[in-house]
Formats: sequence, C-alpha cells, structure tokens
Amino acid sequence: DSGVTQTPKHLITATGQRVTLRCSPRSGDLSVYWYQQSLDQGLQFLIQYYNGEERAKGNILERFSAQQFPDLHSELNLSSLELGDSALYFCASSPPGIGGELFFGEGSRLTVL
Amino acid sequence: AQSVSQHNHHVILSEAASLELGCNYSYGGTVNLFWYVQYPGQHLQLLLKYFSGDPLVKGIKGFEAEFIKSKFSFNLRKPSVQWSDTAEYFCAVNARGNQGGKLIFGQGTELSVKP
Repeated sequence: DSGVTQTPKHLITATGQRVTLRCSPRSGDLSVYWYQQSLDQGLQFLIQYYNGEERAKGNILERFSAQQFPDLHSELNLSSLELGDSALYFCASSPPGIGGELFFGEGSRLTVL
Repeated sequence: AQSVSQHNHHVILSEAASLELGCNYSYGGTVNLFWYVQYPGQHLQLLLKYFSGDPLVKGIKGFEAEFIKSKFSFNLRKPSVQWSDTAEYFCAVNARGNQGGKLIFGQGTELSVKP
C-alpha cells in the first residue's frame, strides 16, 4: 500500500459523458500528479499540482481538467468522453523537496463504451 | 524535451536466466533516474533510484541498475530471475530543477518469466 488512494477503481460510461476521478495523496505530500496509461501511449504525464497550484502541464486534453483542494486531495475531470479516453488513470504524490520519487495509487480504470 | 527510450517491449526468459533491460534518456542536464515495476493488476512500485554518487545502485528484490553518464543509459539488471518477476518495468527520468518534479516514463518493457 503506497498510501495514495484513488476512487473509483473501475468506471464504465458512455461516449459524451463526464466523469470525475478522485485522489488522496499520502499524508504530508504536497504534490499530486496525474498520469494516463494506455496500451498505445504508455504512461503519459497529464498534470501536476503543488499545494493547490498547478505546477506543470503535460499532454492533457482541453476536455480534461484537474484541481487540488485545500485538503490536498485532487480531482481529475474528464468530459465529452471518447472511446479513446479508455485507459488507466494513475494519481501519484511526492513529498516536499527535491528527488522526484513518486508514490502511485492503484489507478482508476475508465472504460468508455 | 526529455524523453526515455526502453529498448525492449517484451522479454521472455526462463527462471534463473539473467536479465538486462535497456534504458536511455535524452536530456543534457543533471537527472534523477528511476526504475518502477508494475505487477499484473497493481500500481507502480519503485524498484530503485539514482540521484548521485555510486553509479551502481541496488534496489529491492535483487535488482540493480548502472548509470553510465556518457551513454545516457540506466540499464536494469538481475542475475537470476524468478517467475514472480513477471511484470512490466518502467524506466523514468526527472530532470533536476525542472518545473515541478514530474517523471517522464519510457514505454515499458513487459517481462515474462517461464517457470
């Protein structure tokens, strides 16, 4: 158990719908990262938040958005879903300071039908 | 932009065989390097990491990796694999001083160990 909690574990929805994925980081970690893992694209960095502020942005679609709340949990919102959005979405957190070691949650598997 | 390349997509070995998974990164500055493992149906777990110092780093479960700066490589090795090592292995890089602290991952290498 990494200490990073993600919900839901599995989600099945239809094209055009909107879903929200939730992540609670490890206690004390200020940074939250979102990654998308798909068979063809591998592990793609989406976005990072640090203590409520957006810190870095990767290959995140405009249909996707995220935020980090004062209690440091984060939500990833995916809207106007397409079949190609089906993937495993990982959240990770890291402690303050340098190093870069990330601790990953178990992921949320999204299936868009 | 940083990138990470893993040479093998799928490696099949018999138990007790030796393992070496290649990883090369593209970045001109100082980096931190990582190997993560993802067992079937599980989340990514850290195997080992290199920040500085001895370029030969030892991780969990008998894995080790060698950082060769001149080759921009960070290959993962294990002298004798077990069936339980069947998993996907990811190399990752974090450029020190980069914006944030995100890791850039390679495409992953799937390791299948036959009993």
